[in-house]
Amino acid sequence: AQSVSQHNHHVILSEAASLELGCNYSYGGTVNLFWYVQYPGQHLQLLLKYFSGDPLVKGIKGFEAEFIKSKFSFNLRKPSVQWSDTAEYFCAVTGSYNNNDMRFGAGTRLTVKP
Amino acid sequence: GAGVSQSPRYKVAKRGQDVALRCDPISGHVSLFWYQQALGQGPEFLTYFQNEAQLDKSGLPSDRFFAERPEGSVSTLKIQRTQQEDSAVYLCASSHGQGGSPLHFGNGTRLTVT
Repeated sequence: AQSVSQHNHHVILSEAASLELGCNYSYGGTVNLFWYVQYPGQHLQLLLKYFSGDPLVKGIKGFEAEFIKSKFSFNLRKPSVQWSDTAEYFCAVTGSYNNNDMRFGAGTRLTVKP
Repeated sequence: GAGVSQSPRYKVAKRGQDVALRCDPISGHVSLFWYQQALGQGPEFLTYFQNEAQLDKSGLPSDRFFAERPEGSVSTLKIQRTQQEDSAVYLCASSHGQGGSPLHFGNGTRLTVT
């Protein structure tokens, strides 16, 4: 069965620091990969997604993620975080030909200090 | 409305009571998902509908849980004889249903069983 592992439970950074959140997945086939963000008191929102093609995917708010197939990884990055990036971040995986098996990681809580 | 709507937003139930949680997906979305999110965890898959057909209910934790989507639109998740371990946020999501299309989440229903 597919699974997603997020390495960091809670990350605390100061504004302008660089961010990298780890995500590894296990899936028996070609995959689509996602990062969702949940700001305090809000619903889960799509940050970015990888379907195929360029393994470096750019999303909203300056976030990007790189799909490394050989490492089964899809790490999220941002060069310079802002206080408003404080949120919970979830990595998710699903099969390429259907999305009825989307599975999420446990999430990483990011706190950005002003 | 423009997004996925869930009601109620909060529900407190005494142990042993039955509860019903409602989800209004985005109009025209074929796929509908229910997830359970415990505190500090990522969303855990419960069940999936394509139109009115429940194609996967492998994530339902016990036979006290069941879901329906009789007309292929609104869905209800019912929990019978609630237990304290059922306390969680129940998330509904919908999507176009095409391969790999991202999920759009509602705000969730926070269920507390006392």
